[in-house]
Amino acid sequence: NAGVTQTPKFRVLKTGQSMTLLCAQDMNHEYMYWYRQDPGMGLRLIHYSVGEGTTAKGEVPDGYNVSRLKKQNFLLGLESAAPSQTSVYFCASSPRDKLYEQYFGPGTRLTVT
Amino acid sequence: QKEVEQDPGPLSVPEGAIVSLNCTYSNSAFQYFMWYRQYSRKGPELLMYTYSSGNKEDGRFTAQVDKSSKYISLFIRDSQPSDSATYLCAMSVYRGGGADGLTFGKGTHLIIQP
Repeated sequence: NAGVTQTPKFRVLKTGQSMTLLCAQDMNHEYMYWYRQDPGMGLRLIHYSVGEGTTAKGEVPDGYNVSRLKKQNFLLGLESAAPSQTSVYFCASSPRDKLYEQYFGPGTRLTVT
Repeated sequence: QKEVEQDPGPLSVPEGAIVSLNCTYSNSAFQYFMWYRQYSRKGPELLMYTYSSGNKEDGRFTAQVDKSSKYISLFIRDSQPSDSATYLCAMSVYRGGGADGLTFGKGTHLIIQP
């Protein structure tokens, strides 16, 4: 039981490049989330999904897109990376009836130069 | 004004001391109150959660919620160097079902000195 895994762990991009971050969970959770964590800003919700095929915007969605084609996977895409997207990205999942019980992945450290 | 306020610290205390970590909030609709612990370069992990007001104890940890004051606390007794981490408070209106995630505080960096 691996819990929540994220790939890659580290990435450096140049401005304008694109990339996809992959999140996978093996706990059969309905809900999945993408957060970013910046110094002095805390954790901020980017997008979330309440089930396969559905996604919704969070607090800071601009510049990101997401897809949830399979229940266990949640992808975060950056179409044209900007230095302001330098951050640590965390994926999380939770059961439908326990929003408070979120399980986080180890994070992806992204630097955009 | 941010919905959830939390002093970022760092808070440095000697081993064995009682630690008090706090958050204030402005949204009176919050009903679920959580504390997450995050070690350096790791993802947050759920430590405790409390529904509505009152106290909840789990080993050396006690979570306290005062909804009338919009104030929550986490107490750590007999603190250990392994408790050194960032502690994030989090809150939500809903237990589940269509909710849009948790609202986090910025986290308090705690250092327990051996």
